Order: sequence, then structure tokens, then C-alpha cells
Amino acid sequence: EAGVAQSPRYKIIEKRQSVAFWCNPISGHATLYWYQQILGQGPKLLIQFQNNGVVDDSQLPKDRFSAERLKGVDSTLKIQPAKLEDSAVYLCASSLARGLGNTEAFFGQGTRLTVV
Amino acid sequence: AQSVTQLDSHVSVSEGTPVLLRCNYSSSYSPSLFWYVQHPNKGLQLLLKYTSAATLVKGINGFEAEFKKSETSFHLTKPSAHMSDAAEYFCVVSDLGRYSSASKIIFGSGTRLSIRP
Repeated sequence: EAGVAQSPRYKIIEKRQSVAFWCNPISGHATLYWYQQILGQGPKLLIQFQNNGVVDDSQLPKDRFSAERLKGVDSTLKIQPAKLEDSAVYLCASSLARGLGNTEAFFGQGTRLTVV
Repeated sequence: AQSVTQLDSHVSVSEGTPVLLRCNYSSSYSPSLFWYVQHPNKGLQLLLKYTSAATLVKGINGFEAEFKKSETSFHLTKPSAHMSDAAEYFCVVSDLGRYSSASKIIFGSGTRLSIRP
């Protein structure tokens, strides 16, 4: 079974530039998550999709971050404009959860963003 | 609302001695609980999970954890530490939360495990 795919693996940009990350979840997984992991901290949930609808974006800095999941499969996360404090690893995860409650989330390798 | 508290940010043990990483959780519903490990510059790997079956859960690489509802704890243990166990460990809670159509997954802040030769 193919895992969660993310690209790019690494990205270096200057502050105020824009950047986009892509995620392809495991086939058939209805729920998709984007997490931000700052060095030395645990992953923080940015946004959660159920199919192509947003179920939680309470911690997404909406003035600069946006995400979409068209057709309920792939997802993109965008930052515009980037700030130095956005330097982090951005993790994508997916799970089967379809109203059945609690299932395991599978994580991609992440995209390491460095803003200089 | 769910929350996870990992009580130690850093644990250091000698090789061959027991490991204990502590985790307490808060959940409004019946949670599932997980432990993930993250080696430097590597992705997150699932160690074990509790999903309302047996309260003592065995995972990979000799790790196990016990779900104690009365103490709201899910501590991770291993009888004998190995050098390769050095990594960051995350306790994770998942439940339906406010949105009944999908689980919400919350991470603890992590515990860095160091192994002394």
C-alpha cells in the first residue's frame, strides 16, 4: 500500500515570498490533516478536511495560510507571504475515519520549510 | 476538548535499563490513544495504539503502554533500553470531539529519549 506522499521535501524561500506544498493521501482515506511542527515542538494541527470540506481550521493563520482539497483527494497548503516564524516541517496525514470514530493517522515524510 | 500532557520533555536512561515515558490525556469522549516515534530527520512512525480493546497494548520494538482510565494516563514503557531507541516520542489522543464525522488528532509536546552507553 502506498503511503502519504508529500512534495517538495525541502524548500528555502525569502520572507514575504509565497510557497505551496502538495499532499496525496492514501487512497480511500476520507480525512486529511495538515500539521505544522516547529523545531523542538510537537505537531500542531493547522487544518482538517473530511472529503473536500473543512471540519477544523481554528489554528490556521488565515491572513497568510490557505489550503484546499479539491475533489476530496489531493490537497495543497499555501503560505503567502511567508514570515521567518513559518520555518517548520509541514506534515500531511490521512485516515479512514468516516464517522466511525477513532482510527490511526498515517503521516507523510513532511516538507521542511526554511524562511530566510 | 481534548488535550495531551507529556510530563517530561527529556528522559535519559542507561542502555539496558527500563524506560518510562509519561502521558496524561483529557478527552470528552471515548478516546483512542497512540504513541509515535520520530527519529532525527525521519517521519513519524506508529509505535502502538489503544482503541478500547485490551488496556495493555504491545507495540513494536518491545514497547508497551497501559491505558488507565481512572488516572487518565497512557504511559509508555520498555523493559530494557537500546541505543537505537534514542528519538523523540509523541503521545497522541484522537476522538470524535466536536465534529462527529471525523476524528480530531492532538499531539503532546514530545519527550526526547536519550540513551547512555
